[in-house]
Amino acid sequence: AIQMTQSPSSLSASVGDRVTITCRASQGIRNDLGWYQQKPGKAPRLLIYAASSLQSWVPSRFSGSGSGTDFTLTISSLQPEDFATYYCLQDYNYPFTFGPGTKVDIK
Amino acid sequence: QVQLQESGPGLVKPSETLSLTCTVSGGSISSYYWSWIRQPPGKGLEWIGYIHYSGSTNYNPSLKSRVTISVDTPKNQFSLKLSSVTAADTAVYYCARVVEYSYGSRWFDPWGQGTLVTVSS
Repeated sequence: AIQMTQSPSSLSASVGDRVTITCRASQGIRNDLGWYQQKPGKAPRLLIYAASSLQSWVPSRFSGSGSGTDFTLTISSLQPEDFATYYCLQDYNYPFTFGPGTKVDIK
Repeated sequence: QVQLQESGPGLVKPSETLSLTCTVSGGSISSYYWSWIRQPPGKGLEWIGYIHYSGSTNYNPSLKSRVTISVDTPKNQFSLKLSSVTAADTAVYYCARVVEYSYGSRWFDPWGQGTLVTVSS
């Protein structure tokens, strides 16, 4: 199975900060990577698919990049509603695997 | 818009079979793939498997010997059965729609709200 790692595992940031989260795959996965946002007690929501395509509801302060093994999720100006845990998911091959998550909380 | 809702017992005894159903509303199940994902309390997400509306399935090898996912198109539902459960199967179980937006490329959206299943005697 493809192993997904994320860094950092958690971070503290202030409203308005630029935040970058990294996801790395143990082998190349083209751009078959999605980012999901999960708030406490809620289901995950799709933010980004195909590494860099924003889902329709997602504000433009979110962006994704990468291909192959290294990917990033960037929030250009953190807003109060962005405090959550973010997971990457590879759907390149079976079994689909998630990263361990990055928790973004308030500094 | 499409909505998903999980249902089933919240408590299952060890060695028994966990059974959950996901009801799809606002759209037909007769398209797309439909998946189950779980999340142990305080931990990360694990993909369990998925089913195409035609009935073809793919399971996580870590659970494959114990998992069955089935679809009931007239009822617009799909189901999960996980046999021989232990405390390690205690988790929030989510169902989700899987959209193949390009050949071999997918996204998971939307998700159900999730249901906590506790394995305990």
